[in-house]
This record gives sequence, structure tokens and C-alpha cells, in this order.
Amino acid sequence: LAKTTQPISMDSYEGQEVNITCSHNNIATNDYITWYQQFPSQGPRFIIQGYKTKVTNEVASLFIPADRKSSTLSLPRVSLSDTAVYYCLVGDDYKLSFGAGTTVTVRA
Amino acid sequence: GAVVSQHPSRVICKSGTSVKIECRSLDFQATTMFWYRQFPKKSLMLMATSNEGSKATYEQGVEKDKFLINHASLTLSTLTVTSAHPEDSSFYICSARLGAGSIDEQFFGPGTRLTVL
Repeated sequence: LAKTTQPISMDSYEGQEVNITCSHNNIATNDYITWYQQFPSQGPRFIIQGYKTKVTNEVASLFIPADRKSSTLSLPRVSLSDTAVYYCLVGDDYKLSFGAGTTVTVRA
Repeated sequence: GAVVSQHPSRVICKSGTSVKIECRSLDFQATTMFWYRQFPKKSLMLMATSNEGSKATYEQGVEKDKFLINHASLTLSTLTVTSAHPEDSSFYICSARLGAGSIDEQFFGPGTRLTVL
């Protein structure tokens, strides 16, 4: 499984856009990039998944450059309830390996 | 998305006792379920892969006799922490895989907080 590197923490304010970049230099051809969100004392929740270029859903966008060695999760107009840990995972099968994640703190 | 439940959500037990945690996929059949543990302010660590009708596959360093896993049906996997000790206190999370496919077909339960006194 490809190793991922994310910032440990990020602070933001309500209404701002939050961008979290994940580095995965050893990503393999068959690997997908998936982001999960976890609130304290809860199981992770799937946010978005992509392979290349840009993916957008109702909660986030995922930007993947052509070389796929990094990816950026974009959370538009965050609110206090978006305070959570965000994990970037890279792999091609169902066995998930969680890194340290990024703790995003949204302030009023 | 699909729903995965865990029971109990919280359990406190005495050292030396065994604790069973259930993981259920409520609205889909899961041929594969996974068990993770998470210590405070740490990431999730995969403990084992639970396959319906066969023995679980444990990750390196996880004692299979300590953490018994039974996947008796397509909707239920159980994790039994045998002879629990205080160092087993942790947050245990299961996930269930919806058929074969890509990574986003894995859904997580709400977790079970185990405290061993």
C-alpha cells in the first residue's frame, strides 16, 4: 500500500474553503485515492474517491494532478460541524491502511 | 449509504473477563468485514479481516487467540476480546464491504468503546 503524508492539523473559520493536500509519491497504477472523515468516538465516513483529474460530489471536491503523486481534498464553505479528522487513503483493494490523518478545526 | 451497526456502543468490564462485540450490516450482505482498533488521538489500525464462513485473517502482531472473530452469517461478525486486560481498552470499529468493487463500498460502524478495569 502506498504511503501517504498529510499535514497533522489545519485551522479554519466558518465559511472558508479548506484544502488538504495529501502526498502519495509511490502510488501505483491501479491505486485509487479515497478520503474519509472521522468525528470523535465515531467510525470513519466515506467522503470522496477518485483516480485522476477532478471529482466532485455534494460535500467535497478532489483534485488529482496528472502525475497522481498528490491529491487535494477541498471542503467548500466549512462550518463548525466540519471539525473532524480527515484521512487520505491510497490503494487498489479493500484492505484500508489509515495514516495519521489531518485534524481540521473550524472556528466561529 | 449502507448502514453498519455495532453493539454494544460502550462496555466496561473487569480484568480477566471476555467481551463480545457485534458488527452487523443492516441493509446489505457483507462477505467481508474488518475489525480495527483505535487508541486515543491515534489512527485506526486494522486488526483482522473477517470472511463469512471461513477463518479470519489477522494482521501481524494481533493475537488470534486473544481476539476471536466469528463471521457466522453475511450480516454478522463478532469480535470477542478474551481475558481482557486494561491495555485492551480501546475504541473498536468494524467495517463491512458491500460485495466486490472499489474502495468506496466499505462502510464503517459507529465503534465500541471498551474500558477494562
